[in-house]
Formats: sequence, C-alpha cells, structure tokens
Amino acid sequence: GESVGLHLPTLSVQEGDNSIINCAYSNSASDYFIWYKQESGKGPQFIIDIRSNMDKRQGQRVTVLLNKTVKHLSLQIAATQPGDSAVYFCAENRGANNLFFGTGTRLTVIP
Amino acid sequence: DAGITQSPRHKVTETGTPVTLRCHQTENHRYMYWYRQDPGHGLRLIHYSYGVKDTDKGEVSDGYSVSRSKTEDFLLTLESATSSQTSVYFCAADREGSGGTHYNEQFFGPGTRLTVL
Repeated sequence: GESVGLHLPTLSVQEGDNSIINCAYSNSASDYFIWYKQESGKGPQFIIDIRSNMDKRQGQRVTVLLNKTVKHLSLQIAATQPGDSAVYFCAENRGANNLFFGTGTRLTVIP
Repeated sequence: DAGITQSPRHKVTETGTPVTLRCHQTENHRYMYWYRQDPGHGLRLIHYSYGVKDTDKGEVSDGYSVSRSKTEDFLLTLESATSSQTSVYFCAADREGSGGTHYNEQFFGPGTRLTVL
C-alpha cells in the first residue's frame, strides 16, 4: 500500500557531525514535501520544504534532497548541535490540501 | 507558530462524556486542520476547514465533528469520548502566499493532551 515512512526510527550522532534522516514515499503523484521538527511537548515546527520539480533545496544548516526515481527524500543537517535533538517527520502533499506524515525519526545528539 | 493557540492544554475526562477542543489563530489563515498524534502512527488528519462553515473529513474522522463559525476559531468535538480517543491533538493552519496561493505549509499549535478514562 501507499505509505510515507522512515528507514530508521532512531539516529544518534556526535555533536558537530552531519546528520542524514531518510524518508520513503510511494505516491508518485505527490508534488510537495515538508520536513518538520518536533521537540518534546511541542507541536511540529516547519524546517524546510521542496516541490517535486526540484532535486535539492538548501536552508540554514539543512538540505533536503528529493529523488523521484526511487521515491526517496532525505534531510541533511550540517554540524549537528544538541538543540537539533528532536523527532523529525517528513510529510507529503497528496493533493486536496492534505498532508500525510511519516511516523518520525528520533535524532539524539551526543555531546 | 502562526499565532495558533489551543485550549485546554490538558484534559482528563470519562468515557461517554462530550469534549470540545478549541483552536484559535490570530493571522486570518483560511485553512485550518485538526490532527491526532499517537505512538507509531505519526500525525493523522481528523478534519480540516477551508473557510468559515466549510469543513471536510480527514483520514480518521469517525467519532469527531468540527465547526468553524468564524475565521479565527476551529473547534473539535468528541460527542461521546472513548478510550481510543486518548491522544495528543494538534491544530494547524496554512501559510498562504500572495494572491491567495496555497502552499500547504502548515504551522502547528502547541497541542492538547486528552486522556479518556
């Protein structure tokens, strides 16, 4: 069936290293993807988005890569900091103004 | 956070009682959403609204109703709460671009933790 999912539920990285969080999707009609960060006890926070006509988009310390051939999305965080520790969700827009979210990856930054 | 607040932030209720959660936004967003978040399921859409008195069902709408009588408020009602509705509920609203472009870039409120005993 169709799904938005993540390859790994948890990820631990050393402070200062780069982090890569992956997401697979199966709906080839999805045209818009978003990454969210959720800290404990808070609502999801928008990080970066990408449209299906793009392969890469960069923000401040974050880069999102989209590979439509294999339906794969990744979030790269450069020089990971303790404040980056959170759960990260990918979401895809399948149309009709609705986002479908993955189950999340918990990123832990080791000082 | 797009000026989104939710009330109450925490609620404990008993099975069979009605419950209403409120979402309030101050930035005149047209689109608003209610999600529930459960372990292992991520965020799932319950209902959404695309304007005053215009609402539609999401993925997990059974047992829930919504109302939007004015732009700033979106209410979620559990007519008769069940234990399976114990969850964290998030409200969200969309950012819109110039000319009413709909980005579907959703901003979330802080959440309401609901426990149904």
